[in-house]
Amino acid sequence: DGGITQSPKYLFRKEGQNVTLSCEQNLNHDAMYWYRQDPGQGLRLIYYSQIVNDFQKGDIAEGYSVSREKKESFPLTVTSAQKNPTAFYLCASSFTGQGLSNQPQHFGDGTRLSIL
Amino acid sequence: DAKTTQPPSMDCAEGRAANLPCNHSTISGNEYVYWYRQIHSQGPQYIIHGLKNNETNEMASLIITEDRKSSTLILPHATLRDTAVYYCIAGPNTNAGKSTFGDGTTLTVKP
Repeated sequence: DGGITQSPKYLFRKEGQNVTLSCEQNLNHDAMYWYRQDPGQGLRLIYYSQIVNDFQKGDIAEGYSVSREKKESFPLTVTSAQKNPTAFYLCASSFTGQGLSNQPQHFGDGTRLSIL
Repeated sequence: DAKTTQPPSMDCAEGRAANLPCNHSTISGNEYVYWYRQIHSQGPQYIIHGLKNNETNEMASLIITEDRKSSTLILPHATLRDTAVYYCIAGPNTNAGKSTFGDGTTLTVKP
């Protein structure tokens, strides 16, 4: 079945360590996104990418980095510079381009990151 | 993207219609209205979207006012499994990467 796979579901990090969250999609979507969600709050955009080898910062990019070497993959690295990384991280993807600009986003089931 | 305003919470009796309002008074002509829902600890699920006309699919109906400043998501026969947080978003398209998911409306369907 087509979809978005995020792994792992739960992740623990020691302070000072970088950690990478995986996001893979087989929907042939051009665009991919990373969001952060804190308890009881909505989603905030971290980074997004509309094409391979290109990405843009969202509203809360500080302390995070991404890469987009393949269309199917958009990993997110939470660096030690992110002082409050404990949160629920969601990856999404969508079609983009002319004539497809109103296509919705499809989400993975998220990764819950905690600091030890 | 236009700012949206939703009530923080609503209750609905099982089997009855759930009507979730959304205000988007600053929406511009090319911005769509999208609805998603998020069940606890899962990723958001797309429900429906529209530009001007009312829309219906197997999950819900979307009613957009003529001036497009507000909309209502209708779940015709709510079930306990419809208990979730519902997000309304207005934007030129979600692909712009600037979509903001606010705090949404927590809908609780009661037996």
